Amino acid sequence: GESVGLHLPTLSVQEGDNSIINCAYSNSASDYFIWYKQESGKGPQFIIDIRSNMDKRQGQRVTVLLNKTVKHLSLQIAATQPGDSAVYFCADPEPRGGGNKLTFGTGTQLKVEL
Amino acid sequence: DVKVTQSSRYLVKRTGEKVFLECVQDMDHENMFWYRQDPGLGLRLIYFSYDVKMKEKGDIPEGYSVSREKKERFSLILESASTNQTSMYLCASSVTGGEKLNTEAFFGQGTRLTVV
Repeated sequence: GESVGLHLPTLSVQEGDNSIINCAYSNSASDYFIWYKQESGKGPQFIIDIRSNMDKRQGQRVTVLLNKTVKHLSLQIAATQPGDSAVYFCADPEPRGGGNKLTFGTGTQLKVEL
Repeated sequence: DVKVTQSSRYLVKRTGEKVFLECVQDMDHENMFWYRQDPGLGLRLIYFSYDVKMKEKGDIPEGYSVSREKKERFSLILESASTNQTSMYLCASSVTGGEKLNTEAFFGQGTRLTVV
């Protein structure tokens, strides 16, 4: 029979529009965050990072906003292009044992409509 | 360029077999990771290693073990493969230290394992 499982949160945007992808974190001691992009059939790739002493960081067409009060991150993509279609993950490195443990959320699927 | 290489892109194994997934990185990174990725569940950490012979369980270690005898190589072992271990497995590495807590993690292309 048909199986029903969890669905990845999906954001559909029109080409040329701005995209906003959100991420919540739980550890109030977290002080460094990373966004990754995973295209179909590939491993995740780094997009941009931000430290907790910043509220905003800009890259090329991407901006990350950090709201420590509500423990929320957002990734904004300006003028979204078809090549931006991917799954986006935020990550929160945690110092452990002299190294850094890296865990991810479920991700958000961004679909760009032409 | 950093390179993280996983030994196989696709693998089919039988239930009960012992399976080894190998990962090699060429940038002298301290941290190495094994994740599995399933539809709707994102990337889930299986095991993490921050140094040779050092390992720490991730969120879903049951049914898996790991080995890190050399800094560049991190192996994931399925002692007795089961059908619920059919998944995409991703290896990653990163460096520790410096002002940043963690620089970016570099991922391999993944191994799609099917257990029949």
